[in-house]
Amino acid sequence: AQTVTQSQPEMSVQEAETVTLSCTYDTSENNYYLFWYKQPPSRQMILVIRQEAYKQQNATENRFSVNFQKAAKSFSLKISDSQLGDTAMYFCAFMKTSGGSNYKLTFGKGTLLTVNP
Amino acid sequence: DSGVTQTPKHLITATGQRVTLRCSPRSGDLSVYWYQQSLDQGLQFLIQYYNGEERAKGNILERFSAQQFPDLHSELNLSSLELGDSALYFCASSVGGSWSQETQYFGPGTRLLVL
Repeated sequence: AQTVTQSQPEMSVQEAETVTLSCTYDTSENNYYLFWYKQPPSRQMILVIRQEAYKQQNATENRFSVNFQKAAKSFSLKISDSQLGDTAMYFCAFMKTSGGSNYKLTFGKGTLLTVNP
Repeated sequence: DSGVTQTPKHLITATGQRVTLRCSPRSGDLSVYWYQQSLDQGLQFLIQYYNGEERAKGNILERFSAQQFPDLHSELNLSSLELGDSALYFCASSVGGSWSQETQYFGPGTRLLVL
């Protein structure tokens, strides 16, 4: 079974600054995807970024980028130029992509990020 | 807006009752997933359907059941409700069919409160 750990329950950052959220995972799988989802106060789950394990290049989506370290089983999210609208709970998630048709997401417990003006 | 719709948004009911949560996936998506988010358990996978057939089960209670209809919408049925079933229930959909098409997009959720 896979586990996802987010060791920072809460973080805060000043508007326009950069913040990094940590995520580690445990798996014996070689093929998988990793995701970051954000959940703002509206409770909607919004996909932020996706990383395929077979890709060495780190994924980037505008102000969001990841640092994927496969050997260390680490997958951190960097948010640049933080904005007030980035205030949300951020979830790291793992999805196995081999050995069957169950592509369920396994989530960490989340990091609550507050962006201060 | 992810394109996934869920109804109702809120549901308040009593213990012992039965409710049905509905989900319509994004246009073109064949896979539907159900997740439960609660304070003590976090986000947990319940069940997956692909093109009308059950594909995988997670930690879904026997009191809970689901189905996916020919038009691809899905319903999650919760019966003999207990206080502990109070949670936010999410539906997510993906294109499906292969591992490369399984990025999941979530609906807005249904907030269930059992009194």
